[in-house]
Amino acid sequence: NAGVTQTPKFQVLKTGQSMTLQCAQDMNHEYMSWYRQDPGMGLRLIHYSVGAGITDQGEVPNGYNVSRSTTEDFPLRLLSAAPSQTSVYFCASSSTGGYNEQFFGPGTRLTVL
Amino acid sequence: DAKTTQPNSMESNEEEPVHLPCNHSTISGTDYIHWYRQLPSQGPEYVIHGLTSNVNNRMASLAIAEDRKSSTLILHRATLRDAAVYYCILRDVIWDSNYQLIWGAGTKLIIKP
Repeated sequence: NAGVTQTPKFQVLKTGQSMTLQCAQDMNHEYMSWYRQDPGMGLRLIHYSVGAGITDQGEVPNGYNVSRSTTEDFPLRLLSAAPSQTSVYFCASSSTGGYNEQFFGPGTRLTVL
Repeated sequence: DAKTTQPNSMESNEEEPVHLPCNHSTISGTDYIHWYRQLPSQGPEYVIHGLTSNVNNRMASLAIAEDRKSSTLILHRATLRDAAVYYCILRDVIWDSNYQLIWGAGTKLIIKP
């Protein structure tokens, strides 16, 4: 049972490039989400999904796209990277009900030059 | 959205109890109080959550004020491995069975040997 996995661990992009951050979970959780964390700050929600085929925007969705074709995977796509997107990105999952704990991946540290 | 207020940092001695306070004066009647912690360079991990009554688990205890406008996370015997940033978060209901977590900056807990 690997929990929540994220790839890559580190990434450097140039302004304007696009890329996809991968997230997978093997706990059969319906709820998955993406957060970003800037230095010294708490996490901010980018997008979330309550099941395959269903996604919605969080607090800071601009510049990011998501899709959920399977229960296990929830990739985050940066459309045209900007320096303001330099951050650490965390993926999380939980079973539905909202009362349950969220499980977080180890994070992806992204730098946009 | 209801918000929380926590001290920026706290220090404690190893093997002593730690009381981490959190104020949430605008909490609504259906908001759950969640605590997560984040060890250096890791993703957040769940600690505990509650609604009205005090809660205990293997990691910590959560004491909730009678008016629910504040709560305290209690680590009964802190170890060096408990040094982390602790986040007090209120549940924000989006759908009937799903929720977002609104994160603040948290309290950095420093454990002195």
